[in-house]
Amino acid sequence: EAGVAQSPRYKIIEKRQSVAFWCNPISGHATLYWYQQILGQGPKLLIQFQNNGVVDDSQLPKDRFSAERLKGVDSTLKIQPAKLEDSAVYLCASSFRGDRGDDEQFFGPGTRLTVL
Amino acid sequence: EDQVTQSPEALRLQEGESSSLNCSYTVSGLRGLFWYRQDPGKGPEFLFTLYSAGEEKEKERLKATLTKKESFLHITAPKPEDSATYLCAPLNGGFKTIFGAGTRLFVKA
Repeated sequence: EAGVAQSPRYKIIEKRQSVAFWCNPISGHATLYWYQQILGQGPKLLIQFQNNGVVDDSQLPKDRFSAERLKGVDSTLKIQPAKLEDSAVYLCASSFRGDRGDDEQFFGPGTRLTVL
Repeated sequence: EDQVTQSPEALRLQEGESSSLNCSYTVSGLRGLFWYRQDPGKGPEFLFTLYSAGEEKEKERLKATLTKKESFLHITAPKPEDSATYLCAPLNGGFKTIFGAGTRLFVKA
């Protein structure tokens, strides 16, 4: 079974530039998550999709971050404009059901973003 | 506000030296608790789900236990390949997973 795919793996940008990350979850998984993991901290949920609808985006900085999940499969996360404090690893995860949050999440390798 | 604290932040063990990692939490309406392992440069990998106080689960050299306010991850006779960051993640009443900062484990041969 193929795992969660993410691209790019690394990205370096200047502050105020824009950047986009892509995620392809495990086939058949209904729920998709985007997390931000700052060095030395645990993952922080940015947004959760159930199929192609948003379940939780309470911690997404909506003035600069946006995400979409077209057709309930792939997802993109965009930052515009980027700030220095956005430097982090952005993790995508998926789970089979996820409607109660109690099934295991499968994580991709992450995208390491450096904002200069 | 939901809070998760993992201790110690880092733990250095000799191969074969057993120890425990602690996860203490204040979470509204706890519905379960996950443990994940994270290797450098990789995403977290699922280990266990615990649902109620008193529950225990084992996998190879790892055993996870749960009380009403804490969870422990016991590592018996660790090997160098057990070196990783171990993340605790309670699931709150709103079905939201709250990750702790993790314990970095180093096992020396």
